[in-house]
Amino acid sequence: AQRVTQPEKLLSVFKGAPVELKCNYSYSGSPELFWYVQYSRQRLQLLLRHISRESIKGFTADLNKGETSFHLKKPFAQEEDSAMYYCALSGGTSYGKLTFGQGTILTVHP
Amino acid sequence: ETGVTQSPTHLIKTRGQQVTLRCSSQSGHNTVSWYQQALGQGPQFIFQYYREEENGRGNFPPRFSGLQFPNYSSELNVNALELDDSALYLCASSDRGSNSPLHFGNGTRLTVT
Repeated sequence: AQRVTQPEKLLSVFKGAPVELKCNYSYSGSPELFWYVQYSRQRLQLLLRHISRESIKGFTADLNKGETSFHLKKPFAQEEDSAMYYCALSGGTSYGKLTFGQGTILTVHP
Repeated sequence: ETGVTQSPTHLIKTRGQQVTLRCSSQSGHNTVSWYQQALGQGPQFIFQYYREEENGRGNFPPRFSGLQFPNYSSELNVNALELDDSALYLCASSDRGSNSPLHFGNGTRLTVT
């Protein structure tokens, strides 16, 4: 069975502070990991996927297979980063079938 | 480029009734996936359609069924509605051939009373 755990329901930081949203997963094979974001009154949208190995809006995430983690990081948070963030996993050939975590609400205070 | 559109946006039904939710996929996308998102939870995979056939199913009973049409649009049908079916239903489309990520619609908010 595959599972995604986001241990923090809520996370608050001040503008300019570093932020890390935690994500741990359970999967026996080689997973593909994603971070999705939902800004206020907008649809769920892809932020980044681990196979792309790119930085989007200053966010990065590294897949750590040893610790089965895929934490999302940004060195300097901005107020516009306030949103709901979901970590998701797709296993093996299960294209398009994502297992989501419960989400973390990030609030960046001015 | 037209994004994923879902209809209706909101719906109220009574326990035991049946409901049909609709989804138009993004232009160029051939795969549609449906998710259920209960309040305070992450989306849960219901099933996926590719080439008009179900291609994978999550842990949902048979009263959840679907269709995909030749233009890649899709329907989600739920029979014998239960109170616990109250949730946001999300449709996501993607292009299997290019391994594109999922593009989500705004969802349909279903309330069962």
